Amino acid sequence: EAGVAQSPRYKIIEKRQSVAFWCNPISGHATLYWYQQILGQGPKLLIQFQNNGVVDDSQLPKDRFSAERLKGVDSTLKIQPAKLEDSAVYLCASSLLWGRGETQYFGPGTRLLVL
Amino acid sequence: GENVEQHPSTLSVQEGDSAVIKCTYSDSASNYFPWYKQELGKRPQLIIDIRSNVGEKKDQRIAVTLNKTAKHFSLHITETQPEDSAVYFCAASNGMNSGYSTLTFGKGTMLLVSP
Repeated sequence: EAGVAQSPRYKIIEKRQSVAFWCNPISGHATLYWYQQILGQGPKLLIQFQNNGVVDDSQLPKDRFSAERLKGVDSTLKIQPAKLEDSAVYLCASSLLWGRGETQYFGPGTRLLVL
Repeated sequence: GENVEQHPSTLSVQEGDSAVIKCTYSDSASNYFPWYKQELGKRPQLIIDIRSNVGEKKDQRIAVTLNKTAKHFSLHITETQPEDSAVYFCAASNGMNSGYSTLTFGKGTMLLVSP
């Protein structure tokens, strides 16, 4: 079974620039998650999709972050404009269904450095 | 929302010793508790999980215990090996009435196993 794919793996930008990350979940997985992992901390959920609908974006800084999941498959996460504190690893995860106890499978992440 | 505290932040053991990592959670409604292992520069990978209707679960050298009353759960690794060296994250699932769940992660424990 192919895992969660993400691109790019690394990105370096200057503050105030924009950046986009792409995620392709495991085939057939209905739920997709974007996490932000700052160095030395655990992943923090930014947004959760069920199929192509948002079910939780309470921790997404909506003034600069946006995400979409067209057709309920691939997803993109965008930051515009980026700030220094956005430097982190952005992890995408997917799970087969939703609800309590669904195993989440993580992608390799995109490491973002904002200068 | 849910708050997960994880201790210790670093743990050094000799090969063959046991290692114990402890987590507490705040939301009594949480009922799914996974543990992830993250090697340097790699994706988090699920190693074991437990649901609130079970007090203990084992998988070879790894075990997890759950005390719902105290809102406390622990990871136990026996006969540690150098390849167990990694960062370990606990998480708690904060399921909402709407049917979807959100994982809240601890800050992680860096386990170092010396040969």
